[in-house]
Amino acid sequence: ILNVEQSPQSLHVQEGDSTNFTCSFPSSNFYALHWYRWETAKSPEALFVMTLNGDEKKKGRISATLNTKEGYSYLYIKGSQPEDSATYLCAFGTTSGTYKYIFGTGTRLKVLA
Amino acid sequence: DSGVTQTPKHLITATGQRVTLRCSPRSGDLSVYWYQQSLDQGLQFLIQYYNGEERAKGNILERFSAQQFPDLHSELNLSSLELGDSALYFCASSSRPDSTDTQYFGPGTRLTVL
Repeated sequence: ILNVEQSPQSLHVQEGDSTNFTCSFPSSNFYALHWYRWETAKSPEALFVMTLNGDEKKKGRISATLNTKEGYSYLYIKGSQPEDSATYLCAFGTTSGTYKYIFGTGTRLKVLA
Repeated sequence: DSGVTQTPKHLITATGQRVTLRCSPRSGDLSVYWYQQSLDQGLQFLIQYYNGEERAKGNILERFSAQQFPDLHSELNLSSLELGDSALYFCASSSRPDSTDTQYFGPGTRLTVL
């Protein structure tokens, strides 16, 4: 069974704090790793797609890194703002068997003003 | 607005019935993905089509089927509906066949089976 785990499940931070979350996935048959931001009552919004070991991507105050050999990705938010409050999902694309795309359960972030 | 449209927005039906959900991808995108999000589970990948052909299959039940038409819109057919099929169904689109590019999600169709 292929498992994608995200930690922590949820966290509260103060406005201005920096924070990071982890996505762990199987290290074999890696194809792609996606990060999404999902606000309540909206659709998931793509943040990053990463395909190469060592990839680092950045969008404003949010950045992500990828380690395919050990099977993890980190998402960092610098100087959190209340509008960053959302669930952050990662999804692992694998070629194990037929191609599959497996989501983690997400990290729920609440930024307190 | 992602450019992906889904209809209907809401659907209420009874057990045993059959429904069809529709998705129009962003202009120029050839890939369409279908996802299910139910209360007790996270987002589950169901199936992907690329330019009319099935490309990848996830946890899609045999009672469910999908297709992508020549104009690239896609339909997800759900039959012999059960209470547990109540969920939010998203489609997403992208330009490449292999999920190495950004996927844009539609607003979803909320299905309630009574």
